[in-house]
Amino acid sequence: AQSVTQLDSHVSVSEGTPVLLRCNYSSSYSPSLFWYVQHPNKGLQLLLKYTSAATLVKGINGFEAEFKKSETSFHLTKPSAHMSDAAEYFCVVSDQTNDYKLSFGAGTTVTVRA
Amino acid sequence: DTGVSQDPRHKITKRGQNVTFRCDPISEHNRLYWYRQTLGQGPEFLTYFQNEAQLEKSRLLSDRFSAERPKGSFSTLEIQRTEQGDSAMYLCASSPMGNTIYFGEGSWLTVV
Repeated sequence: AQSVTQLDSHVSVSEGTPVLLRCNYSSSYSPSLFWYVQHPNKGLQLLLKYTSAATLVKGINGFEAEFKKSETSFHLTKPSAHMSDAAEYFCVVSDQTNDYKLSFGAGTTVTVRA
Repeated sequence: DTGVSQDPRHKITKRGQNVTFRCDPISEHNRLYWYRQTLGQGPEFLTYFQNEAQLEKSRLLSDRFSAERPKGSFSTLEIQRTEQGDSAMYLCASSPMGNTIYFGEGSWLTVV
């Protein structure tokens, strides 16, 4: 079965500095991977997705992620954090056979300091 | 607003009562999903509809839970005889076939 592990439960950065959120996946096939963001009391918004095309995926709001098969990683980065980036971020993998079944990581809470 | 809509957004109920949540998916999305999210955890898959057919139910969905999508448009999730362990956010999502899944803002349930 496929799964993801988010390596940090909390990340705190200063405004204007880079953000790195780490995610490792476990899968016996080439997975579809996603990053979703959840702002307080809001639903989940898709930031970006990887589906076996380019390994560097660009998403919304300046975020990007790189798929590294050799490291089984799909880390999310942003060059310069903004206060509005404070939220919960989820790394997600979909089932190969049943692509409607998403498996979420436990989440990383991002705090942005002024 | 053409996103996934959920109602009510918040519900407080006494243990043993029944509750029902409604989800209106994005128009023309034939797939609809329910997920559950507890505090400090990522969402977990509950069930999935393709049009009006419920094609899969998670083992998380006990017999007290029932979901319907009678005309292949909106869906309802009913919880009977609520328990404190049912307290969570219930997320609805929709998608076209084999494409990006779009989530609603969720319905918070608190069982007291």
